[in-house]
Amino acid sequence: AQKVTQAQTEISVVEKEDVTLDCVYETRDTTYYLFWYKQPPSGELVFLIRRNSFDEQNEISGRYSWNFQKSTSSFNFTITASQVVDSAVYFCALSEASGQGAQKLVFGQGTRLTINP
Amino acid sequence: KAGVTQTPRYLIKTRGQQVTLSCSPISGHRSVSWYQQTPGQGLQFLFEYFSETQRNKGNFPGRFSGRQFSNSRSEMNVSTLELGDSALYLCASSFRTGAGSPLHFGNGTRLTVT
Repeated sequence: AQKVTQAQTEISVVEKEDVTLDCVYETRDTTYYLFWYKQPPSGELVFLIRRNSFDEQNEISGRYSWNFQKSTSSFNFTITASQVVDSAVYFCALSEASGQGAQKLVFGQGTRLTINP
Repeated sequence: KAGVTQTPRYLIKTRGQQVTLSCSPISGHRSVSWYQQTPGQGLQFLFEYFSETQRNKGNFPGRFSGRQFSNSRSEMNVSTLELGDSALYLCASSFRTGAGSPLHFGNGTRLTVT
């Protein structure tokens, strides 16, 4: 069965601090995809990144970086020099390729990140 | 390019009633998925439609149903509403179906059942 765990329910830091959001997943598939989404107060989920199970390269996009480690089944997200605009709920999600060829995201419970000025 | 549009934004219904939510995907997107978000259960997959066919369905009772039209617009219906159906219902679209396709979400419809 597929499962995503985000152990950190809430994180609060002061602006300009670095912060890492943890994500651990479980799957029996060898082919799967991992995602991070951001949910601001307006409600919509904003797509941040997708990683497939065969690509363990870390990725950096501006102040955002992602560390994917299959050995520990983790896909962690780091924000460098955090800003107040980064305040949101962040979700990690998993999609298995064997799922009847359809899309079905399994989400973690989310981490509420608050950046204080 | 317009994003995913969901209507209405807010709904208040009484237990036992039924409700229909609407979703217009991004132009050119043929896959539409629905998710329910509650404080207790988090984000849960309801169903996905692609080319007017339901591709997958989550673990929800038969009171939850949906459909997709030839222009890719989608509706979901909940009959015999229960208090526990109060939630934010999110619609998402993507160009194609398949596990690796990133989903683009709308702002959601917040349903309150009293």
